[in-house]
Amino acid sequence: SQKIEQNSEALNIQEGKTATLTCNYTNYSPAYLQWYRQDPGRGPVFLLLIRENEKEKRKERLKVTFDTTLKQSLFHITASQPADSATYLCGGQNFVFGPGTRLSVLP
Amino acid sequence: GAVVSQHPSRVICKSGTSVKIECRSLDFQATTMFWYRQFPKKSLMLMATSNEGSKATYEQGVEKDKFLINHASLTLSTLTVTSAHPEDSSFYICSARQRGNSYEQYFGPGTRLTVT
Repeated sequence: SQKIEQNSEALNIQEGKTATLTCNYTNYSPAYLQWYRQDPGRGPVFLLLIRENEKEKRKERLKVTFDTTLKQSLFHITASQPADSATYLCGGQNFVFGPGTRLSVLP
Repeated sequence: GAVVSQHPSRVICKSGTSVKIECRSLDFQATTMFWYRQFPKKSLMLMATSNEGSKATYEQGVEKDKFLINHASLTLSTLTVTSAHPEDSSFYICSARQRGNSYEQYFGPGTRLTVT
């Protein structure tokens, strides 16, 4: 079945560093992938969408890549801040979502 | 823009009772709304897709008689959990898609249902 995996359940990094989260998909070829931020007890908030023919997309401190050969998307937060601490979800076409990576940015 | 609200945010009900959750798109018309269920540390699981004015389409394994969905207007969809049991306790999240947008979904804040 179509599946999205996010490699880490949790990731801790130091403030100011770049956080890199990984999303891998199997058994399908999504035309796009989306990244969301979810805070505890809240719904996901849309951050970025990247299409399969786009290699990279940026929005402020966020950068997303899409590698159809590796079947992977990377999500980067540069100059990370404690306020970036949240769970980040990767979602693809056909409403397939990964379980999320809980990012903690330590001051 | 593109704000989706859910009501209530939390609800506790007794086994055997029914509970209704509302999902509203506040500043746009949502031709399609989606209902998800989320378990701790697990993926969002799509339960059903509802289109305004027509019957909802349920995902495999989701009981349509237990999870009643109504999408009566372009800004409101409701999910009713009928004859609730403790195993129905979960975080229910709706999302809405704007007319003409086939990619982005705007999620509501979620409803925490606890069945005692």
